[in-house]
Amino acid sequence: EAQVTQNPRYLITVTGKKLTVTCSQNMNHEYMSWYRQDPGLGLRQIYYSMNVEVTDKGDVPEGYKVSRKEKRNFPLILESPSPNQTSLYFCASSLSIYNEQFFGPGTRLTVL
Amino acid sequence: GDSVTQMEGPVTLSEEAFLTINCTYTATGYPSLFWYVQYPGEGLQLLLKATKADDKGSNKGFEATYRKETTSFHLEKGSVQVSDSAVYFCALIKAGGTSYGKLTFGQGTILTVHP
Repeated sequence: EAQVTQNPRYLITVTGKKLTVTCSQNMNHEYMSWYRQDPGLGLRQIYYSMNVEVTDKGDVPEGYKVSRKEKRNFPLILESPSPNQTSLYFCASSLSIYNEQFFGPGTRLTVL
Repeated sequence: GDSVTQMEGPVTLSEEAFLTINCTYTATGYPSLFWYVQYPGEGLQLLLKATKADDKGSNKGFEATYRKETTSFHLEKGSVQVSDSAVYFCALIKAGGTSYGKLTFGQGTILTVHP
C-alpha cells in the first residue's frame, strides 16, 4: 500500500531532550516536506527536500533540523525542544512539486 | 515573501446551499495552486489543483479557476452536502526562481454543513 508513515504518532517530552520524528514513504517520491499545524495558523512548512541530499528552509525552520540521506526517509530532528514547539506535525511527499502531496497521519508532540 | 489569504471562517451552510471560499495569493513568478481538505482527525487530502493561469481544477463537484489577473483561486461548489464538512486549505508552491519548491498554505477555513 502506497503510504507515508510517521513515528511516533504521539510524544510527550521535556524541554531540552533531543528527539527525532521519523518519516518514510514507499512511493519513490522526489519531494518530501515537514509541516506543523497550529490552531488559527494553518499549516506552516518547516523544511522541504527536492531530492536526496537537497534540503531547504520553509517558513518556520528555527529549532529544527532535517536530513535526506535516502530517498524514502526524511527525519525531523529537534535538538533542544522547547514548549513553543508543541504542535501537530505532518510529513508529506509527492512525485514532484506539481503533483499531489500525500500526507502522513501526523505526530502530536507536547513539550513540557 | 509568498502568502495565501483565505476568507475568515467558520462557514456554516445548509445542505444543498452554494459554497464559495475565497483565496487570494501573493507570489512572484508562476506558482501552482492547490486546494486541500482535512476531515476531522485525519491528514490533508488534495481536492484539486491548477498549474497555470486560467486552468480550472475540479473534483467531487468542487471547482476553482486560477486567475492571475486577480491573483485568486476561489473554491466553489453548487450544492454542498453534510459530508463536505471539513477544513479547507488553499496553498501555492513556487515553481521557479528563488525558494523553488517552497509551499505556503492559507490559514484554513472551517466549513460546517447542516442537514
